[in-house]
Amino acid sequence: GQQLNQSPQSMFIQEGEDVSMNCTSSSIFNTWLWYKQDPGEGPVLLIALYKAGELTSNGRLTAQFGITRKDSFLNISASIPSDVGIYFCAGQLFAGGGADGLTFGKGTHLIIQP
Amino acid sequence: EAEVAQSPRYKITEKSQAVAFWCDPISGHATLYWYRQILGQGPELLVQFQDESVVDDSQLPKDRFSAERLKGVDSTLKIQPAELGDSAMYLCASSSRDRGGYGYTFGSGTRLTVV
Repeated sequence: GQQLNQSPQSMFIQEGEDVSMNCTSSSIFNTWLWYKQDPGEGPVLLIALYKAGELTSNGRLTAQFGITRKDSFLNISASIPSDVGIYFCAGQLFAGGGADGLTFGKGTHLIIQP
Repeated sequence: EAEVAQSPRYKITEKSQAVAFWCDPISGHATLYWYRQILGQGPELLVQFQDESVVDDSQLPKDRFSAERLKGVDSTLKIQPAELGDSAMYLCASSSRDRGGYGYTFGSGTRLTVV
C-alpha cells in the first residue's frame, strides 16, 4: 500500500536541540496527524491539523498543514530524553460520512544524546 | 481515559496454523480499523468497519485473512494459514462517527511472530 514520504529517517541530536521533520504526499488530504510510537506500543496522537495553512502547537510541539494539502511538518523545541521514539505522520480523507483510514509515513526515529 | 483493548499482546505461532486477534474499541465508537505494521514501517490499513459493516477491505489478503464485527462492537481478525511474512504488529483503532483526528485512538497492538 501507499506510504507517505517522511524525512529524515533518523536523527541523532543533543538534548536541548530543536528537531524538525516533514512529510510529503503525491495526493491531497484534508487532515494531517502526527503520532509518536514507543517500542512495543501503539501510536499515540500528538497533533491533528484540519485546515490547509493551519499552524498548531501542543507544548513544545508545533505542526503545520501545508497550503497545497500535500505536506506537513513537525517541530520539537528544546528536546528532552523522553522525546526519544519514532514519529509518524499520517494523512486522512474525512468525507463527512465517516473518517477514512490513515495513510502513514515510514517514520522518523529520534535519538537524543544527553 | 478510555482505551482500545487488544489481546493477546504477544503471539507466537507455527507456519500454517490459524491465529486470531481480538479488539474492543472505545465505547460508542462506530468506526473500527485493523492495521498491520511491519518492523521499520508505518502502519498500513487492512480493514475498516462502520458499525458491523465492512467499508474498506481493499488491502486485506482475503485468501488467508478474515475480519468480523458481528454486533458492531468488538472485532476479531483471523489469519489461516499463517505464513512467515505475516510476522508483524497488528494494531486496532477506533474513531467516533463525527470526528477525524482527535477521535482516533490506537490500541497497544498484538505482536505476531510466525515460526
